[in-house]
Amino acid sequence: DAKTTQPPSMDCAEGRAANLPCNHSTISGNEYVYWYRQIHSQGPQYIIHGLKNNETNEMASLIITEDRKSSTLILPHATLRDTAVYYCIVNSGYSTLTFGKGTMLLVSP
Amino acid sequence: DTGVSQNPRHKITKRGQNVTFRCDPISEHNRLYWYRQTLGQGPEFLTYFQNEAQLEKSRLLSDRFSAERPKGSFSTLEIQRTEQGDSAMYLCASSPTRDNYGYTFGSGTRLTVV
Repeated sequence: DAKTTQPPSMDCAEGRAANLPCNHSTISGNEYVYWYRQIHSQGPQYIIHGLKNNETNEMASLIITEDRKSSTLILPHATLRDTAVYYCIVNSGYSTLTFGKGTMLLVSP
Repeated sequence: DTGVSQNPRHKITKRGQNVTFRCDPISEHNRLYWYRQTLGQGPEFLTYFQNEAQLEKSRLLSDRFSAERPKGSFSTLEIQRTEQGDSAMYLCASSPTRDNYGYTFGSGTRLTVV
């Protein structure tokens, strides 16, 4: 599976949009981009995934660049409860997920 | 269904003792995964079952570790002769058989070896 690069930490003000970037320049054509988050002392939580089209669900939006070498997870109105580690994972679906260190998002009042 | 359930939530054991953790996946999920997570790191894959068959094992799974999933329902992870380096959060996840579907994780079992 392709490797991903994420900033180690980001800050966001409550109520503002949080835009979390992820680089995956070696992604293959059959690999999806997945996002998970992990709130302290809990297991990771699936957020969203996509192949090449932008995706939106009740939690977030996923924007994938046309060349698929990077993506951005958008939390449109961040709340304090969105403070967590966010993991970007590239996976074909034929192998198990490999987690990196992710981005620690701190949402402040 | 209340999601993936793991028991116990916390376990403190003395070095050299054996411990066993249990995971109850979402009932209609055929796939079950075990991960280990240490402080400041992302979860690391340990092993994976499809129904009762153990299809993949990480090199992290030493011979002191064994996992089972009898009848393709719940799973157990046993660590024999625990060492201090085994202290970690042990996470279980499940997913449906079809590909490209997100995993549902449990809250984990935190193991402390003293």
